[in-house]
Amino acid sequence: KAGVTQTPRYLIKTRGQQVTLSCSPISGHRSVSWYQQTPGQGLQFLFEYFSETQRNKGNFPGRFSGRQFSNSRSEMNVSTLELGDSALYLCASSVQGYEQYFGPGTRLTVT
Amino acid sequence: QQQVKQSPQSLIVQKGGISIINCAYENTAFDYFPWYQQFPGKGPALLIAIRPDVSEKKEGRFTISFNKSAKQFSLHIMDSQPGDSATYFCAAVNEAAGNKLTFGGGTRVLVKP
Repeated sequence: KAGVTQTPRYLIKTRGQQVTLSCSPISGHRSVSWYQQTPGQGLQFLFEYFSETQRNKGNFPGRFSGRQFSNSRSEMNVSTLELGDSALYLCASSVQGYEQYFGPGTRLTVT
Repeated sequence: QQQVKQSPQSLIVQKGGISIINCAYENTAFDYFPWYQQFPGKGPALLIAIRPDVSEKKEGRFTISFNKSAKQFSLHIMDSQPGDSATYFCAAVNEAAGNKLTFGGGTRVLVKP
């Protein structure tokens, strides 16, 4: 089975712009979660989608949003980018339970 | 509030030695505790996981020990190899709250040949 794929792998944006990241889960996985990884804050949960519904949300501002499509693919969007949004954004998928499998991440740099 | 505390932050071990990483949690609602291994430029990879009703779980050279009363769990890497050099993260999940992984701060392990 193919693993979790994320596109793009690298992205450079300017402050104030917006960005959309994409995640394709492992075939058959209906749950997709997003995490932000930074050297200072570590790995932090953004949100989880299951069957196109947001099931859980972390403590991030409303500039961070996401959605899930009927084929379980997911996108996350960050509007009005700030320098502090520079991070590795990771997507993880699971069938429904706890075993989450991560993609390689999208490295976002905000200048 | 850091709900999962991980120590040490870094660890150097000789090839063939034992690497030990410890984690402590506060939320007694956590009911699943996975460990992830991350290499530079890669996403975290699920290594091994345990539930509170089990005190120990072993998979190959990796063993999780779990102490429910102390709210602590640890990862032991036996016969450490240079290829084990990576960052290790413990995590915890509360089933009732969905699939949210709460991670520890990570431990960078370097295995010297």
